[in-house]
Amino acid sequence: NAGVTQTPKFRILKIGQSMTLQCAQDMNHNYMYWYRQDPGMGLKLIYYSVGAGITDKGEVPNGYNVSRSTTEDFPLRLELAAPSQTSVYFCASRWDQRGGQGHGELFFGEGSRLTVL
Amino acid sequence: DQQVKQNSPSLSVQEGRISILNCDYTNSMFDYFLWYKKYPAEGPTFLISISSIKDKNEDGRFTVFLNKSAKHLSLHIVPSQPGDSAVYFCAASAPRGSNKLIFGTGTLLAVQP
Repeated sequence: NAGVTQTPKFRILKIGQSMTLQCAQDMNHNYMYWYRQDPGMGLKLIYYSVGAGITDKGEVPNGYNVSRSTTEDFPLRLELAAPSQTSVYFCASRWDQRGGQGHGELFFGEGSRLTVL
Repeated sequence: DQQVKQNSPSLSVQEGRISILNCDYTNSMFDYFLWYKKYPAEGPTFLISISSIKDKNEDGRFTVFLNKSAKHLSLHIVPSQPGDSAVYFCAASAPRGSNKLIFGTGTLLAVQP
């Protein structure tokens, strides 16, 4: 199993450009998440999905969009990149019963470092 | 509004001694807590967890203590090893059905040989 795979690992964008961060998992997990990590700020939840076709906002969703057309893939879209979106982005997944306790361990990808200049 | 707080950005400990990492939370509805460990250029990995119905959980060198009345938990590493040097994140699970983990800001642990 590859686990959670994120691409690209590094990217530099100009202000106003768009891009998609890819995330794929091969563990048949139903829940998937996007977090961003800013220095000294911990991990902030951007968007999450409880299954194919279902997505919901997290703590910091502005400036991002997601889709979940398959169980395996959960891409994160930045439409108009801004310097405030410079961060390290982590995708994560877990399995849980729908309406479950929410205690399942999160498995993280290695991260995607994005710089907006 | 930081619901999960790790007030010590860094901690330095000698090899073989105990490392104690602390975490405070504000939401009394949190019912499950986890610790994640993160090495540079890698994603966080799960370390240990505790349910709110317990006050202690142990796994080898790692023990997590939960004090619900104080809304405080701590991670003890005994004995500390240089390979334990990493950033440690405390996380809390929001009430059943909300599907989210709320993370603290992390503590950088440096274990000196």
